[in-house]
Amino acid sequence: QSALTQPASVSGSPGQSITISCTGTSSDVGGYNYVSWYQHHPGKAPKLMIYDVSNRPSGVSNRFSGSKSGNTASLTISGLQAEDEADYYCTSYTSSATLVFGTGTKVTVL
Amino acid sequence: QVQLVESGGGVVQPGRSLRLSCAASGFTFSSYGMHWVRQAPGKGLEWVAIAWHDGGNKFYSDSVKGRFTISRDDSKNTLYLQMNSLRAEDTAVYYCARAHSSSWAYFDYWGQGTLVTVSS
Repeated sequence: QSALTQPASVSGSPGQSITISCTGTSSDVGGYNYVSWYQHHPGKAPKLMIYDVSNRPSGVSNRFSGSKSGNTASLTISGLQAEDEADYYCTSYTSSATLVFGTGTKVTVL
Repeated sequence: QVQLVESGGGVVQPGRSLRLSCAASGFTFSSYGMHWVRQAPGKGLEWVAIAWHDGGNKFYSDSVKGRFTISRDDSKNTLYLQMNSLRAEDTAVYYCARAHSSSWAYFDYWGQGTLVTVSS
């Protein structure tokens, strides 16, 4: 099972919006709505930001939103803030009844 | 509050075995699926395995299938990962994570991790 493809880095200025893509296949992202996104500050535990493609857990800012089209899922962060600077990973359920992570994206707030 | 504490990491030679533990507290352990996820130095996160809350269903990534075994002891609120035939590429920080209540496909709580180094 190959990792889902994410851009290595995305950057934006405070207040701007950025979008992180997560590309898989019809055997994972495209075939199921079990797509999630995690925010990971180095040295800390990853935090669930989005699940079921577009649902936000309680306590997660509504500046974070998720979507999916075909084999590509996306995470959008609007109103970018300094605290959003972190690594972001997507995950998907697969046809093999396993999970696969994305390659990870480093978000930099300029 | 939910707490997950991993232990058992260390330095091990290629081909040898190691068992990791994850002590859980603050929730009804037997009601939740539990995962192992790892992160190699300088690399991204990689899902390793899951044991469903009923203990009957267990799934593994292709990279560890046949070498690693996930298990749980609900009487001790503890998750385990038995790692055999270790390879250099298994070097990573290993995290245990609780499956989200809505689906085992998500993780809602994570431990701080334990480092496994496979080296001669």
